[in-house]
Amino acid sequence: EVHLLESGGGSVQPGGSLRLSCAASGFTFSNYAMSWVRQAPGKGLEWVSGIGGGGSRTYYVDSVKGRFTISRDNSKNTLYMQVTSLRAEDTAVYYCAKDRGFYIDTGMLQSWGQGTLVTVSS
Amino acid sequence: QSALTQPASVSGSPGQSITISCTGTSSDVGSYNLVSWYQQHPGKAPKVMIYEVSKWPSGVSNRFSGSKSGNTASLTISGLQAEDEADYYCCSYAAGGTYVFGTGTKVTVL
Repeated sequence: EVHLLESGGGSVQPGGSLRLSCAASGFTFSNYAMSWVRQAPGKGLEWVSGIGGGGSRTYYVDSVKGRFTISRDNSKNTLYMQVTSLRAEDTAVYYCAKDRGFYIDTGMLQSWGQGTLVTVSS
Repeated sequence: QSALTQPASVSGSPGQSITISCTGTSSDVGSYNLVSWYQQHPGKAPKVMIYEVSKWPSGVSNRFSGSKSGNTASLTISGLQAEDEADYYCCSYAAGGTYVFGTGTKVTVL
């Protein structure tokens, strides 16, 4: 059974940084692309970033380019996202999600974690 | 990277059918048969219900069906049940290795 467990969220001041982690189990982690999706309180889902199974191909939504960095350690079955220069509008639950294939091109986020909350406030 | 457009809410009585639309552009929905639909109950993680426009993941009821015409995709829920009350989001692959979600639709079972 696929299991994704996010951690690293918390409360931070504007301009601050955090590193989010997603520990994966129940599947061959290196064979699948992964994404981060966020949901602001009471709002809809927003795809934020994705990374191919090998880790060399990364993709971002325009609003986080240059501030967020996605990465993965396939030896530790863990997905990361370094989030910097945080703004109030980055406040959200951040979910990690497993894609259906090796690349970010299947159109299907097959499995999801339970999310970690990031709150940006002074 | 603008969000796909969905109606804010749709409602129906038990046993009825409802349809949720998802309108994008020729850069996303219109260009790829890579539209998926997600169900989200309050406080829970999303769950994929449909992928590649009209395919069912293992374990998902065939009361859920998907289709696409041009830049608009649709999700139909047949035989509406109380447990179907949730938020629903469409999602499309877009150019450059990105995904874009819809604005979300709240389904109410009357």
